[in-house]
This record gives sequence, C-alpha cells and structure tokens, in this order.
Amino acid sequence: QKEVEQNSGPLSVPEGAIASLNCTYSDRGSQSFFWYRQYSGKSPELIMFIYSNGDKEDGRFTAQLNKASQYVSLLIRDSQPSDSATYLCAVNRGGSYIPTFGRGTSLIVHP
Amino acid sequence: GAVVSQHPSWVICKSGTSVKIECRSLDFQATTMFWYRQFPKQSLMLMATSNEGSKATYEQGVEKDKFLINHASLTLSTLTVTSAHPEDSSFYICSGSWGYRHNEQFFGPGTRLTVL
Repeated sequence: QKEVEQNSGPLSVPEGAIASLNCTYSDRGSQSFFWYRQYSGKSPELIMFIYSNGDKEDGRFTAQLNKASQYVSLLIRDSQPSDSATYLCAVNRGGSYIPTFGRGTSLIVHP
Repeated sequence: GAVVSQHPSWVICKSGTSVKIECRSLDFQATTMFWYRQFPKQSLMLMATSNEGSKATYEQGVEKDKFLINHASLTLSTLTVTSAHPEDSSFYICSGSWGYRHNEQFFGPGTRLTVL
C-alpha cells in the first residue's frame, strides 16, 4: 500500500464548477497535510496546509481533513481554466517534517 | 510566501562530468532543505534532507557518493551530481523550510538537467 494515494486523473470539470480532489494516507501518526499545485514544467507551489480535523477555507480553496478516515481533500470552487494543473498532496511522516508526496491528480478545467 | 531560487535553471552536460546546482533561500533562513528529482509525468521523489551544518540524510536507494549535498549556511544548499550519466537526466527541485513539524516547504523553480 502506498503511503499517500491520489487518483491520477485526469479530472475534467467545466469552468465555474467545483473540483474535488482527494488524497488518502496510511500513516496514522501523520499530523501535517499540504496541497501543492504544479503546472507542467514548473515546480510545485503551496496552496494550503491543514493540521486539524474539519475544513479550512482560503478564497476559492477549501481543504478538508478527516484523520479518523485518513483522508484529506481539496475543493476548488468556481474553477477556472488557469486552475488546470497537477495537484500534489503531501503528508508529513509521523509527526516529523519529512514529507511524502502523492503522485498527483491532473485537473483540467475546460471553458 | 518565502522565496527560494535555484541556479542554473537548466544545464546540458556530457556524460561523465559533474554538475553543481545551487539552492538559495532569499528572504528566510532555511533550517532544512530538501532535494527532489522528478521524471516526466511522475511525482516528486525525495532524494535527501539536509540541515544546516550537518550531513544530509539520504532516502533509501539514493547514492550519497553520486549526489553530494552540502548545506553550508542557512540560506544555501548545493547538490552536485558526480559523473553524470544520461539516466540522471531529470528535473531537480529544492525546497526550504524552517524544519518544524508543521512547516510547509517553499520550492525553488527547479533545474532541468540533460546529460548527453
């Protein structure tokens, strides 16, 4: 079982819709969770991080964490074509600051 | 957010030569720096973690004698790919963080290495 799993996609949504990206992890001791966006040929950039169960909102982005079920998700409201990218989920190993990345989900927002 | 630079942004070299990549945190002190490699259409692979002033910790399967990492100061880390071969061609990305449990990473723009 992979430590951090994501559906590789692509996930295709129309412009203006809500895009929902999911990530599951295996280490129950994990306490820090991050979402990064990576455009093709570029390095990742941080979108959001979350540490506590529940929802965390930042503009059009909402991160959701459920430690009991070991999943973290990212919702993108009012999706725009510029949101088309690969979204990487990262989980810090067992309370440390050493990250494990998922393979990423490719998101395509079509006009 | 904090800014991390990398130099060079791309490099082409001949097989057997060594290549050094610099990673600098420009507006914060990066207690910890990470080095990643990414092959086309694949995810980030953590190569090593380095803390300022101490030896890097390499991930399983990464040759420490081939990928030399130096973290000489809180703002500079270097990765040297020694005796590069075509299979080392990849996108190398560094990131910096304060090294605390919850701290996010700030990524450099990456260096694309092509070994002929």
